Amino acid sequence: QKEVEQNSGPLSVPEGAIASLNCTYSDRVSQSFFWYRQYSGKSPELIMSIYSNGDKEDGRFTAQLNKASQYVSLLIRDSQPSDSATYLCAAPWEYGNKLVFGAGTILRVKS
Amino acid sequence: EAQVTQNPRYLITVTGKKLTVTCSQNMNHEYMSWYRQDPGLGLRQIYYSMNVEVTDKGDVPEGYKVSRKEKRNFPLILESPSPNQTSLYFCASSLTTGLETQYFGPGTRLLVL
Repeated sequence: QKEVEQNSGPLSVPEGAIASLNCTYSDRVSQSFFWYRQYSGKSPELIMSIYSNGDKEDGRFTAQLNKASQYVSLLIRDSQPSDSATYLCAAPWEYGNKLVFGAGTILRVKS
Repeated sequence: EAQVTQNPRYLITVTGKKLTVTCSQNMNHEYMSWYRQDPGLGLRQIYYSMNVEVTDKGDVPEGYKVSRKEKRNFPLILESPSPNQTSLYFCASSLTTGLETQYFGPGTRLLVL
């Protein structure tokens, strides 16, 4: 199993819907997580971080961490076409000084 | 403005011609890292540096060199580029350990013919 795994998508949702992006992780990462958004040809930018079990909300974004099931998710409410991007999940590697990134999920919001 | 800068942004070169991609950050971060991003493979770490004169290999270091002579700069050197190094490269920095939020440069798209 890879340290951090994501479904590559694409995930297509209509404008105004809730987009749900998921990430599973192995025991080889520490349990703090970062969600990055990456527009095509651009660099990743941090949109959310979550360190404890449960939900964390920031505007239209909610990150959810479930340590028992080893998954973390990102919900985007009222999805907009401008949310169309690749979303990367990342976590600190347990054995060294680096973040491990998932391959990313492509999100397409259709107007 | 707090930022990570990279140069050049685009580069076309030929096999075997040495090149350097520069990276600089103005946030006084101790940790800096280089990644390459390829379709379907995500971000893979090439090298990282915990501080001045301290560098270490990441997951895919073959064919690359780095140096960290100053805190703000972390250049990536390809001494003899090959076509399999055609990729999108990102430099990133973080405050201390690399295990916290990382801030990315704008990327360098490299094509090796």
